[in-house]
Amino acid sequence: QVQLHESGPRQVKPSQTLSLTCTVSGDSIASGRQYWSWLRQHPVKGLEWIGYVYYDGATHYNPSLKSRVSMSVDTSQNQFSLSLSSVTAADTGVYFCASGCTATSCFFDFWGPGIQVTVSS
Amino acid sequence: DFVMTQSPDSLPVSLGETATIQCKSSRTVLYSPNKKNYLAWYQQKPGHPPKLLISWAATRESGVPDRFTGSGSGTDFTLTINRLQAEDVATYYCQQYLTGPFTFGPGTKLEIK
Repeated sequence: QVQLHESGPRQVKPSQTLSLTCTVSGDSIASGRQYWSWLRQHPVKGLEWIGYVYYDGATHYNPSLKSRVSMSVDTSQNQFSLSLSSVTAADTGVYFCASGCTATSCFFDFWGPGIQVTVSS
Repeated sequence: DFVMTQSPDSLPVSLGETATIQCKSSRTVLYSPNKKNYLAWYQQKPGHPPKLLISWAATRESGVPDRFTGSGSGTDFTLTINRLQAEDVATYYCQQYLTGPFTFGPGTKLEIK
Protein backbone atom coordinates (compact mmCIF):
# COMPACT_ATOMS: atom_id res chain seq x y z
CA GLN A 1 0.00 0.00 0.00
CA VAL A 2 1.31 3.41 -0.96
CA GLN A 3 1.65 6.04 1.74
CA LEU A 4 2.11 9.72 1.02
CA HIS A 5 2.80 12.67 3.27
CA GLU A 6 2.84 16.38 2.49
CA SER A 7 5.23 18.81 4.13
CA GLY A 8 6.04 22.48 3.83
CA PRO A 9 5.14 25.93 5.18
CA ARG A 10 1.58 26.31 6.33
CA GLN A 11 1.51 30.04 5.80
CA VAL A 12 2.65 31.94 2.73
CA LYS A 13 2.56 35.67 2.10
CA PRO A 14 0.66 37.06 -0.89
CA SER A 15 2.72 37.27 -4.10
CA GLN A 16 5.22 34.74 -2.77
CA THR A 17 5.73 31.11 -3.84
CA LEU A 18 4.06 28.16 -2.14
CA SER A 19 6.38 25.15 -2.00
CA LEU A 20 5.36 21.70 -0.84
CA THR A 21 6.99 18.27 -0.85
CA CYS A 22 5.36 14.86 -0.88
CA THR A 23 7.26 11.91 0.56
CA VAL A 24 6.23 8.52 -0.80
CA SER A 25 6.61 5.11 0.79
CA GLY A 26 5.36 1.72 -0.34
CA ASP A 27 6.20 2.37 -3.98
CA SER A 28 9.17 3.70 -5.87
CA ILE A 29 8.65 6.83 -7.94
CA ALA A 30 11.53 5.64 -10.14
CA SER A 31 9.58 2.50 -11.08
CA GLY A 32 7.54 4.54 -13.53
CA ARG A 33 4.40 2.62 -12.63
CA GLN A 34 2.34 5.74 -12.11
CA TYR A 35 2.16 9.48 -12.18
CA TRP A 36 2.18 11.55 -9.00
CA SER A 37 -0.42 14.22 -8.49
CA TRP A 38 -1.12 17.34 -6.49
CA LEU A 39 -4.67 18.39 -5.70
CA ARG A 40 -6.18 21.03 -3.48
CA GLN A 41 -9.46 21.60 -1.72
CA HIS A 42 -11.07 24.93 -1.06
CA PRO A 43 -14.16 25.18 1.16
CA VAL A 44 -16.10 26.95 -1.57
CA LYS A 45 -14.42 25.88 -4.83
CA GLY A 46 -14.16 22.22 -3.87
CA LEU A 47 -11.61 19.70 -5.11
CA GLU A 48 -9.22 20.76 -7.86
CA TRP A 49 -6.57 18.72 -9.63
CA ILE A 50 -3.41 20.83 -9.96
CA GLY A 51 -1.30 18.48 -12.06
CA TYR A 52 0.96 15.46 -12.06
CA VAL A 53 4.62 14.61 -12.53
CA TYR A 54 6.29 11.46 -13.82
CA TYR A 55 9.54 9.89 -12.62
CA ASP A 56 11.41 11.36 -15.59
CA GLY A 57 10.21 14.89 -14.84
CA ALA A 58 7.44 14.99 -17.42
CA THR A 59 4.49 17.03 -16.23
CA HIS A 60 0.86 17.78 -17.04
CA TYR A 61 -0.77 20.77 -15.39
CA ASN A 62 -4.29 22.09 -15.04
CA PRO A 63 -4.50 24.91 -17.61
CA SER A 64 -6.15 27.15 -15.01
CA LEU A 65 -2.92 27.13 -12.97
CA LYS A 66 -0.34 26.30 -15.63
CA SER A 67 1.29 29.72 -15.71
CA ARG A 68 2.07 29.56 -11.98
CA VAL A 69 2.74 25.85 -11.34
CA SER A 70 5.91 23.81 -11.41
CA MET A 71 6.38 20.21 -10.28
CA SER A 72 9.52 18.14 -9.94
CA VAL A 73 10.70 14.77 -8.65
CA ASP A 74 13.62 13.60 -6.55
CA THR A 75 13.83 9.87 -7.11
CA SER A 76 16.77 9.52 -4.72
CA GLN A 77 14.55 10.71 -1.87
CA ASN A 78 11.35 9.20 -3.31
CA GLN A 79 9.75 12.63 -3.19
CA PHE A 80 7.96 14.95 -5.54
CA SER A 81 7.31 18.64 -5.14
CA LEU A 82 4.94 21.46 -5.99
CA SER A 83 5.69 25.14 -6.49
CA LEU A 84 2.90 27.66 -6.98
CA SER A 85 4.02 31.21 -7.61
CA SER A 86 2.36 34.60 -7.10
CA VAL A 87 -0.11 33.26 -4.59
CA THR A 88 -3.20 35.13 -3.45
CA ALA A 89 -5.85 34.45 -0.84
CA ALA A 90 -7.65 32.35 -3.44
CA ASP A 91 -4.84 29.80 -3.15
CA THR A 92 -5.67 29.14 0.49
CA GLY A 93 -6.82 25.59 1.05
CA VAL A 94 -5.84 22.03 1.87
CA TYR A 95 -3.21 20.63 -0.47
CA PHE A 96 -3.03 16.88 -1.10
CA CYS A 97 -0.56 14.68 -2.90
CA ALA A 98 -1.94 11.49 -4.39
CA SER A 99 -1.10 8.44 -6.46
CA GLY A 100 -3.10 6.49 -8.99
CA CYS A 101 -2.69 8.13 -12.36
CA THR A 102 -1.32 5.99 -15.18
CA ALA A 103 -0.93 6.49 -18.89
CA THR A 104 -4.50 5.29 -19.44
CA SER A 105 -6.46 6.56 -16.44
CA CYS A 106 -6.29 9.13 -13.70
CA PHE A 107 -8.22 8.43 -10.53
CA PHE A 108 -6.61 8.78 -7.13
CA ASP A 109 -6.26 5.63 -5.05
CA PHE A 110 -3.96 6.81 -2.27
CA TRP A 111 -3.80 10.27 -0.74
CA GLY A 112 -1.67 12.05 1.80
CA PRO A 113 -3.45 13.41 4.88
CA GLY A 114 -3.32 16.90 3.41
CA ILE A 115 -1.71 20.12 4.58
CA GLN A 116 -3.63 23.32 5.28
CA VAL A 117 -1.93 26.26 3.58
CA THR A 118 -3.04 29.80 4.31
CA VAL A 119 -2.07 32.77 2.16
CA SER A 120 -1.94 35.76 4.44
CA SER A 121 0.33 38.66 5.23
CA ASP B 1 -13.32 21.44 -19.31
CA PHE B 2 -15.76 18.79 -18.18
CA VAL B 3 -18.18 20.29 -15.66
CA MET B 4 -19.42 17.79 -13.09
CA THR B 5 -22.63 18.44 -11.18
CA GLN B 6 -24.14 16.46 -8.32
CA SER B 7 -27.54 16.26 -6.69
CA PRO B 8 -28.69 16.72 -4.11
CA ASP B 9 -26.33 19.02 -2.26
CA SER B 10 -27.27 17.33 1.00
CA LEU B 11 -29.14 14.12 1.65
CA PRO B 12 -30.71 13.10 4.97
CA VAL B 13 -31.36 9.35 5.09
CA SER B 14 -32.47 7.09 7.95
CA LEU B 15 -30.21 4.32 9.17
CA GLY B 16 -30.86 1.11 7.30
CA GLU B 17 -32.40 2.91 4.34
CA THR B 18 -30.98 3.56 0.87
CA ALA B 19 -29.13 6.70 -0.25
CA THR B 20 -28.98 7.65 -3.91
CA ILE B 21 -26.59 10.30 -5.18
CA GLN B 22 -26.60 11.60 -8.75
CA CYS B 23 -23.67 12.83 -10.82
CA LYS B 24 -23.90 14.42 -14.22
CA SER B 25 -21.12 15.33 -16.63
CA SER B 26 -21.34 18.17 -19.15
CA ARG B 27 -19.95 15.79 -21.77
CA THR B 28 -19.90 12.05 -22.11
CA VAL B 29 -17.18 10.23 -20.17
CA LEU B 30 -17.81 7.05 -22.14
CA TYR B 31 -14.86 6.21 -24.35
CA SER B 32 -16.34 4.36 -27.29
CA PRO B 33 -13.28 2.32 -28.39
CA ASN B 34 -13.17 0.44 -25.08
CA LYS B 35 -16.74 1.09 -23.89
CA LYS B 36 -15.47 2.25 -20.50
CA ASN B 37 -16.87 5.11 -18.47
CA TYR B 38 -14.07 7.22 -16.99
CA LEU B 39 -15.89 8.07 -13.76
CA ALA B 40 -14.84 7.59 -10.13
CA TRP B 41 -16.56 8.06 -6.77
CA TYR B 42 -14.92 9.14 -3.51
CA GLN B 43 -15.99 9.35 0.12
CA GLN B 44 -14.58 12.07 2.35
CA LYS B 45 -15.01 12.33 6.09
CA PRO B 46 -14.17 15.56 7.96
CA GLY B 47 -10.47 16.01 8.54
CA HIS B 48 -9.54 13.22 6.16
CA PRO B 49 -8.57 13.01 2.49
CA PRO B 50 -11.01 11.57 -0.03
CA LYS B 51 -11.13 7.79 -0.22
CA LEU B 52 -11.57 6.09 -3.58
CA LEU B 53 -14.70 3.93 -3.56
CA ILE B 54 -15.43 3.15 -7.20
CA SER B 55 -13.62 3.50 -10.51
CA TRP B 56 -14.78 2.89 -14.09
CA ALA B 57 -18.25 3.96 -12.90
CA ALA B 58 -19.03 0.59 -11.30
CA THR B 59 -15.86 -1.16 -10.10
CA ARG B 60 -15.60 -1.20 -6.32
CA GLU B 61 -12.17 -0.81 -4.79
CA SER B 62 -10.84 -3.62 -2.65
CA GLY B 63 -12.32 -3.46 0.85
CA VAL B 64 -15.28 -1.27 -0.08
CA PRO B 65 -18.51 -2.87 1.21
CA ASP B 66 -20.87 -4.20 -1.43
CA ARG B 67 -23.49 -1.85 0.00
CA PHE B 68 -21.88 0.73 -2.29
CA THR B 69 -22.88 0.42 -5.94
CA GLY B 70 -22.00 2.62 -8.89
CA SER B 71 -24.05 2.70 -12.06
CA GLY B 72 -24.73 4.78 -15.15
CA SER B 73 -23.12 5.55 -18.48
CA GLY B 74 -22.32 8.46 -20.72
CA THR B 75 -23.23 11.60 -18.81
CA ASP B 76 -25.43 10.33 -15.96
CA PHE B 77 -24.23 8.31 -13.01
CA THR B 78 -25.54 7.13 -9.65
CA LEU B 79 -23.94 6.08 -6.39
CA THR B 80 -26.29 3.93 -4.33
CA ILE B 81 -25.62 3.12 -0.69
CA ASN B 82 -27.84 0.36 0.67
CA ARG B 83 -28.55 -0.35 4.33
CA LEU B 84 -27.11 2.99 5.45
CA GLN B 85 -24.83 2.82 8.46
CA ALA B 86 -23.68 5.62 10.75
CA GLU B 87 -20.13 5.25 9.40
CA ASP B 88 -21.37 6.23 5.93
CA VAL B 89 -21.91 9.85 7.01
CA ALA B 90 -19.55 11.75 4.73
CA THR B 91 -19.40 13.89 1.63
CA TYR B 92 -19.36 12.01 -1.66
CA TYR B 93 -17.69 13.25 -4.84
CA CYS B 94 -17.66 12.07 -8.42
CA GLN B 95 -14.68 12.69 -10.71
CA GLN B 96 -14.18 12.33 -14.45
CA TYR B 97 -10.84 11.17 -15.77
CA LEU B 98 -11.51 10.86 -19.48
CA THR B 99 -9.69 14.08 -20.26
CA GLY B 100 -7.50 16.49 -18.38
CA PRO B 101 -7.98 18.64 -16.47
CA PHE B 102 -9.55 15.94 -14.31
CA THR B 103 -12.54 17.45 -12.58
CA PHE B 104 -14.69 16.72 -9.54
CA GLY B 105 -18.31 17.32 -8.70
CA PRO B 106 -19.13 19.76 -5.89
CA GLY B 107 -20.03 16.96 -3.50
CA THR B 108 -23.13 15.56 -1.79
CA LYS B 109 -23.23 15.63 1.99
CA LEU B 110 -24.87 12.51 3.36
CA GLU B 111 -26.47 12.87 6.79
CA ILE B 112 -28.46 10.70 9.12
CA LYS B 113 -32.13 11.64 9.35
